[in-house]
Amino acid sequence: EAQLVESGGGLVQPGRSLRLSCAASGFTFDDYAMHWVRQAPGRGLEWVSGISWNSGRIGYADSVKGRFTISRDNAKNSLYLQMNSLTPEDTALYHCAKGGRGFGESPHQWGQGTLVTVSS
Amino acid sequence: QSVLTQPPSASGTPGQRVTISCSGSTSNIGINSVNWYQHLPGTAPKLLFYNNNERPSGVPDRFSGSKSGTSASLAISGLQSEDEADYYCAAWDDSLTGVVFGGGTKLTVL
Repeated sequence: EAQLVESGGGLVQPGRSLRLSCAASGFTFDDYAMHWVRQAPGRGLEWVSGISWNSGRIGYADSVKGRFTISRDNAKNSLYLQMNSLTPEDTALYHCAKGGRGFGESPHQWGQGTLVTVSS
Repeated sequence: QSVLTQPPSASGTPGQRVTISCSGSTSNIGINSVNWYQHLPGTAPKLLFYNNNERPSGVPDRFSGSKSGTSASLAISGLQSEDEADYYCAAWDDSLTGVVFGGGTKLTVL
């Protein structure tokens, strides 16, 4: 069974950067697309970004485009999210999620999430 | 404002059947499959259905999923107190080139 463990969250000032990591196990990592999905306090789930198995296809939500960068290291079974120019609106629990074998599929298994708080 | 539309709340008594709707468009549900998730805030969402009505192992058959046109539905029969949670639908959107979610439906078991 897939296991996804996020790390790297914390309290950060507006305008600063943070890098999230996701360690994957229990499945063949480089067979699947991966996603980041967040949930702000009191809000619903919001897709942030996705990446295909070979990093050949990448997508971002309009709310983070130009500020966030998704990447993966298949040799390390790891997914990353580099977040720059953070604003208080980025405060959320960030989940790493295993997608399908194709890029255009919704997530299947999810991690517990890592909390990002953007505040001065 | 979520791309997929769900009712914000639903409720039922133990043993009842409840249905949660999810309305989309031709760029998402109309041409792509729907996933459903059960979520307790602060925890990992749990996949209930993929490909509209495929149930992962471990999901009780009290739960059923369906899709017609640009809408999808999740039905829960024999409602139990442990079903109290938030439920989300999701689909890939070809126009937005990303995953879109419904706003979530909070299910209360009375």
